[in-house]
Amino acid sequence: GQSLEQPSEVTAVEGAIVQINCTYQTSGFYGLSWYQQHDGGAPTFLSYNALDGLEETGRFSSFLSRSDSYGYLLLQELQMKDSASYFCAVRNYGQNFVFGPGTRLSVLP
Amino acid sequence: KAGVTQTPRYLIKTRGQQVTLSCSPISGHRSVSWYQQTPGQGLQFLFEYFSETQRNKGNFPGRFSGRQFSNSRSEMNVSTLELGDSALYLCASSLVGQEGNEQFFGPGTRLTVL
Repeated sequence: GQSLEQPSEVTAVEGAIVQINCTYQTSGFYGLSWYQQHDGGAPTFLSYNALDGLEETGRFSSFLSRSDSYGYLLLQELQMKDSASYFCAVRNYGQNFVFGPGTRLSVLP
Repeated sequence: KAGVTQTPRYLIKTRGQQVTLSCSPISGHRSVSWYQQTPGQGLQFLFEYFSETQRNKGNFPGRFSGRQFSNSRSEMNVSTLELGDSALYLCASSLVGQEGNEQFFGPGTRLTVL
């Protein structure tokens, strides 16, 4: 089976940097994705790591280490609008998508 | 380019009834996946369709089924509804050949079973 673990909640203040971790147990997958979901909204794609290392997209960066079965999403210069739930996800070699339980980020003024 | 659309947006049914939800993917996307989202279980994969064929299936009972049409539009059906089927049902489309990165989600159908 496959499972992903994330912290359930993270709180930070505007302008700060926050890291949301994702650890996983899976036999094989193509890469690690991150999605953002605001309350009442649909998940939207943020980033994807096919290979180990850091991927940067504006204020967001994502990291993957297959040897450590670990990845993270880094959000810099936090803004109030970043308050949302963040999900890590993998697409395994059997082609199924598996999502983590989600981390609820609260950004305080 | 229009996004993924789902109809209806809200639905109220009673136990034992059946329901059909519809999803229209982004033009050119041939893969459509369905998910059930609940507060306690998060996003659970139901199934994926590609070129009118079910390519993958999650761990859900046979009451949950789906299909895809030649224009890539997809429907999912839930028969003999149970209270526990109350959830947000999301569909997502993606391009062929992209092995794991980006799925585009629709706004979802909120199903309430009474």
